[in-house]
Parts: sequence; structure tokens; C-alpha cells
Amino acid sequence: AQTVTQSQPEMSVQEAETVTLSCTYDTSESNYYLFWYKQPPSRQMILVIRQEAYKQQNATENRFSVNFQKAAKSFSLKISDSQLGDTAMYFCAFMKSLSNSGYALNFGKGTSLLVTP
Amino acid sequence: NAGVTQTPKFQVLKTGQSMTLQCAQDMNHEYMSWYRQDPGMGLRLIHYSVGAGITDQGEVPNGYNVSRSTTEDFPLRLLSAAPSQTSVYFCASSPGSYNEQFFGPGTRLTVL
Repeated sequence: AQTVTQSQPEMSVQEAETVTLSCTYDTSESNYYLFWYKQPPSRQMILVIRQEAYKQQNATENRFSVNFQKAAKSFSLKISDSQLGDTAMYFCAFMKSLSNSGYALNFGKGTSLLVTP
Repeated sequence: NAGVTQTPKFQVLKTGQSMTLQCAQDMNHEYMSWYRQDPGMGLRLIHYSVGAGITDQGEVPNGYNVSRSTTEDFPLRLLSAAPSQTSVYFCASSPGSYNEQFFGPGTRLTVL
């Protein structure tokens, strides 16, 4: 079974500081994709960043970057220069293959991030 | 492009009632799926479709039916609502394997 674990239910960071959210996963597949999604109070699911397992280079999107450690099955998200608008629930997700050529996101339980002034 | 749209945004049902949650996308995506989100948990897959006429079950399919007659639409039917189906439901679409899934705004369903 493929599982995704986010060990920090809640985190807080001050504006302009840096915060790292942790995620570990378990899989027997050799090639796969990992994602971080953000869910603000509006409830909308927004893709933050994506990492392909066969790429050794860590993905970066503006203030968001990941530390992907394939051997350790770790996929942490770093948010630099935190902004009030970053306050949201953050979900780590693993893309798994299904029958019938299907695939789906397997989500962790999420980390609630609060950015304070 | 409107992206992925869902209706209604909110719904209250009584136990035993049936209803259909609507989902549509205008991006010509082949892949569509339904997830539910419960408090303290991430999203869990209910049903998915890899193209018109093809559907399959996800992790939590019991109590739900789907069909996919067109590329654009992927409705989710609750046959006989139960309080355990109180949740937020998200529809998502994607252009293909391992691509970003685009989510709709969600439907908050309460079953009394």
C-alpha cells in the first residue's frame, strides 16, 4: 500500500520568515510523481509544486521549493518569505496508478499553516 | 475557460434522499475523478473515469454511482443518502497520466 504521512498537524510562522513542512511516503514504485497542494479557507485546491521522482533536481516555484530525498522517501516543502496569503492547509500527495489505466492522488492528512504578522 | 465547475455549492439532504452532484470541465480533459474530504483527512478517491464511457471505483465507492456519457460531464449520484456521506466533494480533471489535476470549487453536503 502507498501511504503519505504528514507529521505536523499545525504550524505557525511569522511573516517574512521561512517554514518547512514535512512529508514522507511509502511506495514500491521506481518512478512516480509527488505534489503539494494548498487549500486556503476558500476551500479551493491549488497546486503549489510538483516533483517527478526520476528528476534529481529539486523543484522550485518562486518562493516555494522542495527537498526531495528519494532514498529516504521524504518530500518536504519550504516556503520562503512567508506571506499572510500563505495561510492555508497544505496537502502532500503521491500520484499512484490504478487499474483501467487510471491514476489518483493519495493525500496525506494535511498541515495547517498559519502566517502571523 | 471556466475550468472545472461544480453544482451545487451547498446541499442539505435527509437520510434516504437521492441527489446528483454535477461536475463539468471545458478543457477537453480525458481524465476526471471524484474525491471526498472529511475533517482531519486528506481527499479520498470515490470514482474515476479515463474517458467517455469508462468509469471505475476508487477507494471509497460505496453508496455512489457515476457515469460518463460525454468528455465534459461527470456526475456523481447518491442513491440513498446516509449521514456518513456528510462531506465536502471535489471533482477534478486532468489531461492525462501524471499531470496536474485541476479541482473544482467543491460541494459541501450535509445529510441529516
